[in-house]
Amino acid sequence: AQTVTQSQPEMSVQEAETVTLSCTYDTSESDYYLFWYKQPPSRQMILVIRQEAYKQQNATENRFSVNFQKAAKSFSLKISDSQLGDAAMYFCAYRSAGYGGSQGNLIFGKGTKLSVKP
Amino acid sequence: DGGITQSPKYLFRKEGQNVTLSCEQNLNHDAMYWYRQDPGQGLRLIYYSQIVNDFQKGDIAEGYSVSREKKESFPLTVTSAQKNPTAFYLCASSMGRTGAGEKLFFGSGTQLSVL
Repeated sequence: AQTVTQSQPEMSVQEAETVTLSCTYDTSESDYYLFWYKQPPSRQMILVIRQEAYKQQNATENRFSVNFQKAAKSFSLKISDSQLGDAAMYFCAYRSAGYGGSQGNLIFGKGTKLSVKP
Repeated sequence: DGGITQSPKYLFRKEGQNVTLSCEQNLNHDAMYWYRQDPGQGLRLIYYSQIVNDFQKGDIAEGYSVSREKKESFPLTVTSAQKNPTAFYLCASSMGRTGAGEKLFFGSGTQLSVL
């Protein structure tokens, strides 16, 4: 079974600085997707960025980028120029690329709470 | 505005009572999901549906039931068999046609507590 581990329960960053959130996962599959979701105090989950395992190029979305190391099974999120609105819980998630019963299941880590100091 | 609407925002259950959480979407999505979130935990999948009148169990389906009679609606019933129902419940939807990498859209959740 696949697992997702986020080893940093809490992180803090100064406004305008850069912070990196860690995520490791365990799988025997070769084709899958990885995601970072943000959960602000409103508790609604918002997709931040996604990465397909077959793409070697790291995904980027504005101030958010990932460092995807497939062999090491590592998928870290870098937030540049941190803003107060970035304060939230961040969840790393895994999803098999196979269709059928496994397609529905996003497997989440336990999350990292990010605080942004003004 | 298109989106997912969950109601109620807060719900209280008495012992032995069944309660139903509502989830409606107007995104024309085929797939819908129910997740449970406990404090300090990530989300866990309860049920999902990829098409009307069909649904599959997730990792923690025991004590829950769902129906999918309409494309827009995917209600979740927490039955009396669920002995620890206190949690935050999130409904989500996705197009369901573009593969495992497609984006999930989430509702704003329902906090269920036991009286």
